Amino acid sequence: NAGVTQTPKFQVLKTGQSMTLQCAQDMNHNSMYWYRQDPGMGLRLIYYSASEGTTDKGEVPNGYNVSRLNKREFSLRLESAAPSQTSVYFCASSEERLSPLHFGNGTRLTVT
Amino acid sequence: GENVEQHPSTLSVQEGDSAVIKCTYSDSASNYFPWYKQELGKRPQLIIDIRSNVGEKKDQRIAVTLNKTAKHFSLHITETQPEDSAVYFCAGGGGGFKTIFGAGTRLFVKA
Repeated sequence: NAGVTQTPKFQVLKTGQSMTLQCAQDMNHNSMYWYRQDPGMGLRLIYYSASEGTTDKGEVPNGYNVSRLNKREFSLRLESAAPSQTSVYFCASSEERLSPLHFGNGTRLTVT
Repeated sequence: GENVEQHPSTLSVQEGDSAVIKCTYSDSASNYFPWYKQELGKRPQLIIDIRSNVGEKKDQRIAVTLNKTAKHFSLHITETQPEDSAVYFCAGGGGGFKTIFGAGTRLFVKA
């Protein structure tokens, strides 16, 4: 099992450009999440999907959109990137509500 | 909304000593408290978790205690080793699906 796979691993964008971060899990988990990690601020929840077909806002949703394409895949889209979105992005999945999170290896995004 | 505070932000111990990291949470509905370890450049990985119906849980050199009345929980690492050096995150989960993380503790274990 690959677990949670994220692509790309690194990305540099110019302000105003758009991009989609891809995430897929092969553990048949119901719930999926997108977090961002900034120095000294821990992991902050951007969006989550409790189950296929549903998505909800987390702590810091502004500037992002998500799509739960199917049970395996959960993508994060930046429509117009800003320097404040420079961060490391982690996708995670869990079997059910309030159970251990399984993280992907992260995407390091720089917006200039 | 839910808030999780974690202390200290940095902790340095001598190999073999114990390390304690403390967290407090604000949402009384929180009932799931995981701890994650993140090595440099790697993803966070669960090391232990506890639910609100249990006051303490132990796994080899790692233990977690929970005080629901005071709304705080702690991670205890005994007999620390250099490979324990990492950033540790506490988290709290209550209503819904949101797991909220503390800001992290950077643990240094000196050989």
